Order: sequence, then structure tokens, then C-alpha cells
Amino acid sequence: RKEVEQDPGPFNVPEGATVAFNCTYSNSASQSFFWYRQDCRKEPKLLMSVYSSGNEDGRFTAQLNRASQYISLLIRDSKLSDSATYLCVVNDAGTYKYIFGTGTRLKVLA
Amino acid sequence: IAGITQAPTSQILAAGRRMTLRCTQDMRHNAMYWYRQDLGLGLRLIHYSNTAGTTGKGEVPDGYSVSRANTDDFPLTLASAVPSQTSVYFCASSADTNQPQHFGDGTRLSIL
Repeated sequence: RKEVEQDPGPFNVPEGATVAFNCTYSNSASQSFFWYRQDCRKEPKLLMSVYSSGNEDGRFTAQLNRASQYISLLIRDSKLSDSATYLCVVNDAGTYKYIFGTGTRLKVLA
Repeated sequence: IAGITQAPTSQILAAGRRMTLRCTQDMRHNAMYWYRQDLGLGLRLIHYSNTAGTTGKGEVPDGYSVSRANTDDFPLTLASAVPSQTSVYFCASSADTNQPQHFGDGTRLSIL
């Protein structure tokens, strides 16, 4: 089993739609979680950290479910500019080890 | 503007040649990392440094070396390049381990 798993997609959604991605992780000791977006093999850019109580940043909401070992990203009112690959990243507590998922590709269609 | 600078942006290199990829950050971050990204695979850690003067091996360290003489610079050296090292290389830094990482623009390296 991979340490971090994501559905590769692509998720094709119309503008204005709500879309959600999940990411599962295998190490129950993982402490820090992040979502990044990556455009056309440019550098990954931090979208948001994921906190235990869940957190929201504008149209984006992140949730953590420790019992089932997954994190989720919800995008509301999708924009064309949201088209990208979304990377899930899990960090073992206090270590250098950040495990990247292979990403979920999102295409927002006009 | 604060951030991470990588150089070169891209490079074509003959097999067997030595190459150093440069990475500089001005955020005074303690930790720095080198990753490679290949199609169909997630980012894979090559080497890391938790603080100036220390380095460690990541998931795919063979054929690569790093040094961390100061806080800002973290060069990656390919002693004798091979075609399997053709990849996109990203340097990253974080204030500390378990903090979000910030990435440079990447270096696209082709080994012929």
C-alpha cells in the first residue's frame, strides 16, 4: 500500500460546480498535512495546511479524519483558474519526511 | 521578493559530466530539501538538511551529493550524470520540519 494515495482523475467539472478530493495516508503517526496545487509541472505551491478541526480559505475547505486516515479538499464555485493538479502531502511528526501523493488532476470546463 | 531561487532553469548535459544545481533561499529557513519529479511518480526526496552543517539521505540519494555550508545555500551535485537522472528537480525549504514547504521554480535537466 502506498504511503499516500490519491485518485489521479481527471475530474472534469463545469464552472461553478463543487468538487471534492480525498487523500488517504497509511502512517497513523503522521502529524502535519497540506494541500498543494501544481500547474503544468511548475513548482508546487502551498494551497493550505490542514488542521485537526478543519479549516477554510475562501472557496477552499480542508478536513482531516484521523480515524479513517484521510484528508479532503473541497472546492466550491469552481473557476477555470482552478484547473491544476492538487497534491496531498503528509509529514511524519517532527521529521524531514514529507510524503507526496501523485496528485489529482482537476479540469474546470467553461 | 523573498523566496527560493534555483539555477539553471534548464540544462542539457552529456552523460558522464559533472553538474551542480544551485538553490538559494532568503527566508532564513532551517530546513532545505531536494526533490525530483518524474511523470507518473510523486515528488521523491533526494537529500535534505535540517540545519546548516547537517545533511541526510532521502528516498533516492544514489548518484547525488549535497552540502549545507550556510543557512541560505543548498547545492545539489551530480558527480557523473546518467540518463536516468533526467528529471525536473525542485529545491524546497521550510522554517522547520513539519512546517509547510516552499518550492523553487525547478530545474529541468536532460542527460543525453
